[in-house]
Formats: sequence, C-alpha cells, structure tokens
Amino acid sequence: DGGITQSPKYLFRKEGQNVTLSCEQNLNHDAMYWYRQDPGQGLRLIYYSQIVNDFQKGDIAEGYSVSREKKESFPLTVTSAQKNPTAFYLCASSGTSEAFFGQGTRLTVV
Amino acid sequence: AQRVTQPEKLLSVFKGAPVELKCNYSYSGSPELFWYVQYSRQRLQLLLRHISRESIKGFTADLNKGETSFHLKKPFAQEEDSAMYYCALRPSMFSGGYNKLIFGAGTRLAVHP
Repeated sequence: DGGITQSPKYLFRKEGQNVTLSCEQNLNHDAMYWYRQDPGQGLRLIYYSQIVNDFQKGDIAEGYSVSREKKESFPLTVTSAQKNPTAFYLCASSGTSEAFFGQGTRLTVV
Repeated sequence: AQRVTQPEKLLSVFKGAPVELKCNYSYSGSPELFWYVQYSRQRLQLLLRHISRESIKGFTADLNKGETSFHLKKPFAQEEDSAMYYCALRPSMFSGGYNKLIFGAGTRLAVHP
C-alpha cells in the first residue's frame, strides 16, 4: 500500500522537547517533501529535498530541521524553537510526475 | 514569486449543481499544474494534471495561461465529491526548482443532498 510511510500516526510532545517524525518511501523517488497542514491554511512547505544529501528550506522552515542521508528516508525534527508545533504533518515524494503522500502524523504539544 | 491562490475556503452546492473550484497561479515560466483531493480520513491523492487533459470522476481542468488559471469544473456535483481540493504548481523542468511542489490553501467542497 502507498509506498510512503509516516510514523507515528499520533505523537505527543512536552514543551521544550525536540521530536522526530519519520518518513520512508520505497518508490525510488528522488524528491521528498514535508508539509504542515493547518485548518484554513492548506499545505505549507517546510522543507524539500531533490536528491540525497541536499535539501532546501520551504516557506516555514523556522524551528524545523531535516536530513536526507538515504534516498528512502527524510526525517523531520520539530525543535523546541518551533513556536506553534501542534499540527498535522504530511510527507510526500515525487519522481517526474505526481507526488504521493503519506498518511500524516498529528503532533500535539502538551 | 511562485504562488498558488485558491480564493474560496468553502464551496457549498446541492447535488446535481455545477461546480467550479478556482485556482490562480503566479509563475513566470511554464509550470505543471495539478489538482489534488483529500477525502475524509484518506490520503491526499492526485485528481488530475493539466498535461493529461483527461476527465477524472467527471472533473476537468483547463490551463489558461493568459489568465494564469487552472479552475476545476464538474457539470453535476455528487455527494461523494465532498472533500478538500488543493491546486498545486510545479515549476518548469528547466528551472532550478523543478521538483518543488507548491500548494494553494485548499477549498473544501460540500455537496448537499
């Protein structure tokens, strides 16, 4: 199913803690993306990567970090510097055509 | 700047009525345009893209370069069309940002019986 897997589905974090969201794909796609989905604001791009060991900031990168050590994996770390981290996070990958999305991770800061 | 604008947050229609979800973009080159759909409790998925020029689930979208628009249309809405719809742009493959996908804010379509 899908070819792109995000984990966990739900994540709770205490204020001041960093947390890492996992995203794995077996579609052999070069490009991977992280989006944040908030009600009424659509999908906002956090980071994207076009190739291994390379990534670029999106529109709302502050307070987030990523790595792309393997083609299959693009983890997102939400740091304590992110002022409003509670949100739904979507990972996607694409080749030369459409993008495929994961099921998402809902992060709640408690 | 590259931008996708969906001016309507919510579009509410009755079953059988025509539907048009608006999408305007800002890009100086020749982008690739997409419509993605997210049904309740399902993944975001591709609905259609402009280069395919096909009709999916009765929906069509025509790229109007003069008006920089890519509106999604369906002549007769069905209740199962109720979902969140996102318009997306990918810059020209000849630009440095080829694989960057830019989304609009989305329009929620509610089709009432």
